[in-house]
Amino acid sequence: AQSVTQLDSQVPVFEEAPVELRCNYSSSVSVYLFWYVQYPNQGLQLLLKYLSGSTLVKGINGFEAEFNKSQTSFHLRKPSVHISDTAEYFCAVSTGGFKTIFGAGTRLFVKA
Amino acid sequence: DAGVTQSPTHLIKTRGQQVTLRCSPKSGHDTVSWYQQALGQGPQFIFQYYEEEERQRGNFPDRFSGHQFPNYSSELNVNALLLGDSALYLCASSSLSGAVANSGANVLTFGAGSRLTVL
Repeated sequence: AQSVTQLDSQVPVFEEAPVELRCNYSSSVSVYLFWYVQYPNQGLQLLLKYLSGSTLVKGINGFEAEFNKSQTSFHLRKPSVHISDTAEYFCAVSTGGFKTIFGAGTRLFVKA
Repeated sequence: DAGVTQSPTHLIKTRGQQVTLRCSPKSGHDTVSWYQQALGQGPQFIFQYYEEEERQRGNFPDRFSGHQFPNYSSELNVNALLLGDSALYLCASSSLSGAVANSGANVLTFGAGSRLTVL
């Protein structure tokens, strides 16, 4: 079975500072990895995905993530955050098929 | 192009009642998944429907049931509501043919959710 661990429940950061949101996964087979963002009172929006190929993937809003198979990690990064990036971020894993498993989420709070 | 639409957006029920939530998938999608998101937690997989059949189910009791219609829309039914069923219920759609194009990955598009409060 797959599982996802988001290592930080909350990450406060000042505007224009860099940020990294950490995600580790567990799976006995090859995985697909995703980051979703959820703004207040809204559904989840796909930020980026790793399916195959290059381990560095770029997404929307200037976010990027790196797949590290040996460390079973998929950390999300942004070099300079904005107030509008304040939201809940979810890491997710799938092995294909019908089930995607989500982590508990990391609340990013960007301060002026 | 309409995305995933869910109804109702909010509803309040009392313990023991039954509720039906509805979802219309994104145009071109044929698969619908349902998730429960309790306050402060990540989405938990309930089940997924493809070709009008439940294909996989998460760790939820039989009080949770669903249906998919020929037009790919879906319903989630919850019977004998408990206080702990209060949550945001999210519908996500995807495409099996899209999965083939995405190296086999099932990429989900989410609706805004239906917030259920059980009193």
